[in-house]
Amino acid sequence: ETGVTQSPTHLIKTRGQQVTLRCSSQSGHNTVSWYQQALGQGPQFIFQYYREEENGRGNFPPRFSGLQFPNYSSELNVNALELDDSALYLCASSTILASRYEQYFGPGTRLTVT
Amino acid sequence: AQSVTQPDIHITVSEGASLELRCNYSYGATPYLFWYVQSPGQGLQLLLKYFSGDTLVQGIKGFEAEFKRSQSSFNLRKPSVHWSDAAEYICAGAPTGFDSGGYQKVTFGIGTKLQVIP
Repeated sequence: ETGVTQSPTHLIKTRGQQVTLRCSSQSGHNTVSWYQQALGQGPQFIFQYYREEENGRGNFPPRFSGLQFPNYSSELNVNALELDDSALYLCASSTILASRYEQYFGPGTRLTVT
Repeated sequence: AQSVTQPDIHITVSEGASLELRCNYSYGATPYLFWYVQSPGQGLQLLLKYFSGDTLVQGIKGFEAEFKRSQSSFNLRKPSVHWSDAAEYICAGAPTGFDSGGYQKVTFGIGTKLQVIP
């Protein structure tokens, strides 16, 4: 059973550019969530995808968007990068059961915006 | 509003000493509760979880946590800390059942950084 993987590991972008981060879910998981973790903070929920559709979103602007593919891998896209977007971006995969919720996290992508 | 609070930003303990990290939650009903560990530059690893039942939960790496409804707390403990336990510890909560949007949202605390001294 493979775990959650993310790419790239590190990324440096310039303000105003666009970035795409990628995540491969753990085998058998059909749900992926993305989180932003700024330095010294806990992870903040960006959005969640279930069966290729966004089914929940945190307090992030529309320039944060995502995709989930039929193989349950996922992308996080951020347009018009701002300095405050510098953070560790984590994806987590899971299966939505009737009354349980447990996520498995990838190692993250460290994004630096200059 | 749903929230998870970790009152201690940074804690230092001596190797071999006992450890307790605090976590308080605010939810309308008893939530699912989790403790994660995060090493520098790494993702989160689940230490233990509480869904229901026995209020004392055993996890990996010798950690345990106790759910106390009366105090809205879910504190993490370890009887004897090892130098390799130095890391960030993050408490999290999720509402039981689905959020109004049909998804289950996990809320994380700010984390407690554990330093272990010889």
